[in-house]
Amino acid sequence: DQQVKQNSPSLSVQEGRISILNCDYTNSMFDYFLWYKKYPAEGPTFLISISSIKDKNEDGRFTVFLNKSAKHLSLHIVPSQPGDSAVYFCAVTFRDDKIIFGKGTRLHILP
Amino acid sequence: DAGVTQSPTHLIKTRGQQVTLRCSPKSGHDTVSWYQQALGQGPQFIFQYYEEEERQRGNFPDRFSGHQFPNYSSELNVNALLLGDSALYLCASSLVVSGLRVGELFFGEGSRLTVL
Repeated sequence: DQQVKQNSPSLSVQEGRISILNCDYTNSMFDYFLWYKKYPAEGPTFLISISSIKDKNEDGRFTVFLNKSAKHLSLHIVPSQPGDSAVYFCAVTFRDDKIIFGKGTRLHILP
Repeated sequence: DAGVTQSPTHLIKTRGQQVTLRCSPKSGHDTVSWYQQALGQGPQFIFQYYEEEERQRGNFPDRFSGHQFPNYSSELNVNALLLGDSALYLCASSLVVSGLRVGELFFGEGSRLTVL
């Protein structure tokens, strides 16, 4: 039973345009939401996070939006760059509990 | 500042054998978590070690066991290997202060296990 769902296995976006990656979760108790990025042959690296008390968090080109009523979060990357091509994992946690990851979305930035 | 290091990077075993994977956490981190990432899947939580004790455990059988040493490094042991244990095993470190995790997980590059 997946608690974190990333329904798009892959996404292709033109360089310079906006990339939007989506994630749905099932448990309203989760209070901290994260995005990780993974390149081939490397471990995942933390990208950005948001607490359940907020609905938006920005860090440079990356913005995460949280819609608690819909149990949905999204990651916006603007403008998209070639180095953004990677697998993006959505992850959730409750207080100090384990971090639960989605299956990931592979983002391709097209030249 | 060394990040999370894992060894070995690749290994091949046969069914029924046992394997030990090793992890050194990022400097200053006291907590180690282990994840299994099968092909096409996200990382699945195996267990977490803090103060040399298993703090949390995911939905994995007892064939999966671990240990944390006084220097915070950790080992993951898998007994009676099955074909389905073939995966990338990721170690992640973090810092816990007053019972709460501070900041994100830092992952190593992983150990890729192939079971034949």
